[in-house]
Amino acid sequence: DAGVTQSPTHLIKTRGQHVTLRCSPISGHKSVSWYQQVLGQGPQFIFQYYEKEERGRGNFPDRFSARQFPNYSSELNVNALLLGDSALYLCASSWALPFKTFFGQGTRLTVV
Amino acid sequence: KQEVTQIPAALSVPEGENLVLNCSFTDSAIYNLQWFRQDPGKGLTSLLLIQSSQREQTSGRLNASLDKSSGRSTLYIAASQPGDSATYLCAVEYGNKLVFGAGTILRVKS
Repeated sequence: DAGVTQSPTHLIKTRGQHVTLRCSPISGHKSVSWYQQVLGQGPQFIFQYYEKEERGRGNFPDRFSARQFPNYSSELNVNALLLGDSALYLCASSWALPFKTFFGQGTRLTVV
Repeated sequence: KQEVTQIPAALSVPEGENLVLNCSFTDSAIYNLQWFRQDPGKGLTSLLLIQSSQREQTSGRLNASLDKSSGRSTLYIAASQPGDSATYLCAVEYGNKLVFGAGTILRVKS
């Protein structure tokens, strides 16, 4: 079975632009979460979705938004990019929470 | 505030040594605790998950313990190998999110 897949793997954007990151969970998993990992730190929670509803939001500005589709895939959108948004964005899936969580390989976003 | 701390921040050991990584958390109302491994620039690989009602879990050369009352977990790696070199992350599950420590960077020298 395929694991959690994220696209794209790498992305370079200019300050002020908008970006969309995509995630496909493991088949059968209904929960998708997004995390931001800045170099040298642990991942920080951004959003959790379960059955297409937002179930949790971390301490991130409104420039960050997400949604989950009927097939349980998810998108993370970031508007008005700042240099500080440069990070590894990780998607995680689980059957539900709290169950074992599986992570994708991440999308490396660089804002210049 | 829910915080997770990992000690040490970095560790360098010769091949074959047994080692212990430490994780502490401030809020003991946890659902479970997971240990992950992360290779440079990559995603996270789950190593062990301990439910809040459990005391320990074992997988091969890895053993993780959990003391919820004291807010501590340890990851024990037996007979370390160069292939174990990576960052090890402790994550505490609080219902709808994982709270991570900053990780321990492990280097095993051959």
